[in-house]
Amino acid sequence: QSVLTQPPSASATPGQRVTISCSGSGSNVGTNIVNWYQQFPGMAPKLLIYANNQRPSGVPDRFSGSKSGASASLAISGLQSEDEADYYCETWDDTLKAVLFGGGTKLTVL
Amino acid sequence: QVQLQESGPGLVKPSETLSLTCAVSDDFVNNYYWSWMRQPPGKGLEWIGYLSETESWSTRYNPSLNSRVTISRDTSKNHFSLRLYSATAADTAVYYCARRIAVTTMGRAFDIWGQGRMVTVSS
Repeated sequence: QSVLTQPPSASATPGQRVTISCSGSGSNVGTNIVNWYQQFPGMAPKLLIYANNQRPSGVPDRFSGSKSGASASLAISGLQSEDEADYYCETWDDTLKAVLFGGGTKLTVL
Repeated sequence: QVQLQESGPGLVKPSETLSLTCAVSDDFVNNYYWSWMRQPPGKGLEWIGYLSETESWSTRYNPSLNSRVTISRDTSKNHFSLRLYSATAADTAVYYCARRIAVTTMGRAFDIWGQGRMVTVSS
């Protein structure tokens, strides 16, 4: 069971907005930056959002991130079929002295 | 852009050592953490550890694996390696190497990943 909690699944129809949450504690999400990764089946993860809300070059502005207290969120607006993938949050934990990943959320575009 | 490529045996016997290498397409430079992650079939990502260029090549490992893992480098060959001792079936996973880069003054992210190497632990 992951220290960072994500919903195992999420779904929405094309064009809609979907939000994926990542819940942690004061020693991880509450203190450190949160990054998000997108992973397609059989592929390596790809950095999607870094430092809570920054997009690497090439990532569409449909993807956005936010953080409040010990929780972070990834939002995808104008959902497209190609957004169907697994999404993981990641941060550092000051107590464990370890990198943590959330359990992952499988996004289905209906 | 820097590329990473994992290599090593795809099958390891129980109780033996799982060994993988990650080839880095560019020279090792300052301020990166060279990392290993793994992902069991159908499951999520797990951080294994990293080797820090910034901190005199020190290492840090996942506490759950600390006693069984070593990450080291070979600058003459531009690669870094993972050794996981006393392997069991629970170590069966896709293993990824990745670069962890400073994205803020106090935070890092994995910006470049290898394609992954599937390793099965079975007799």
